[in-house]
Amino acid sequence: QKEVEQNSGPLSVPEGAIASLNCTYSDRGSQSFFWYRQYSGKSPELIMFIYSNGDKEDGRFTAQLNKASQYVSLLIRDSQPSDSATYLCAVKTFDSNSGYALNFGKGTSLLVTP
Amino acid sequence: KAGVTQTPRYLIKTRGQQVTLSCSPISGHRSVSWYQQTPGQGLQFLFEYFSETQRNKGNFPGRFSGRQFSNSRSEMNVSTLELGDSALYLCASTSWTGENRAFFGQGTRLTVV
Repeated sequence: QKEVEQNSGPLSVPEGAIASLNCTYSDRGSQSFFWYRQYSGKSPELIMFIYSNGDKEDGRFTAQLNKASQYVSLLIRDSQPSDSATYLCAVKTFDSNSGYALNFGKGTSLLVTP
Repeated sequence: KAGVTQTPRYLIKTRGQQVTLSCSPISGHRSVSWYQQTPGQGLQFLFEYFSETQRNKGNFPGRFSGRQFSNSRSEMNVSTLELGDSALYLCASTSWTGENRAFFGQGTRLTVV
């Protein structure tokens, strides 16, 4: 079983602070890593993806990947109340029998308070 | 480029009935995956279709089935509905080439009464 683990939260941060969301995965052969944001009652929206070790920045978002430690994180700088949502970590894996698959964590609920 | 289209958006069915949901992927994407999302269980993988073949299957009973057509559109069927099948059903469209990003449709909210 290829597990993707996230702290369910809720993670509460004040407006303007940095929110740090973490995700660990079990399959060392995992190739690609994604962060989705899901507002209540809506479908997940892809906000970041990362393939190589290190940091990847896009606006207020930074994804960090450490394959040796098998974790991926998402930092949200200058958090806004509109960032309040559930953040889903997804990991792409490969199996010789069934090919590629995208495995999701259960998500971390983020609450940004004014 | 049109996004992923799921129909219908909302459904109310009675226990014991069956239901069919539809998903049209992004043009050029050959993979469609289906997920069930409930408040307690998060996103649970149902199955994936690629080029009209089921390639991956999650841990759901046989009442849940699907298929994919030659134009990559996919349908999911649930027979003998139970109250516990009430959920948001999401499909994701993936190319599995290039950057391999999965994009979700807006989902179908199924309520079983």
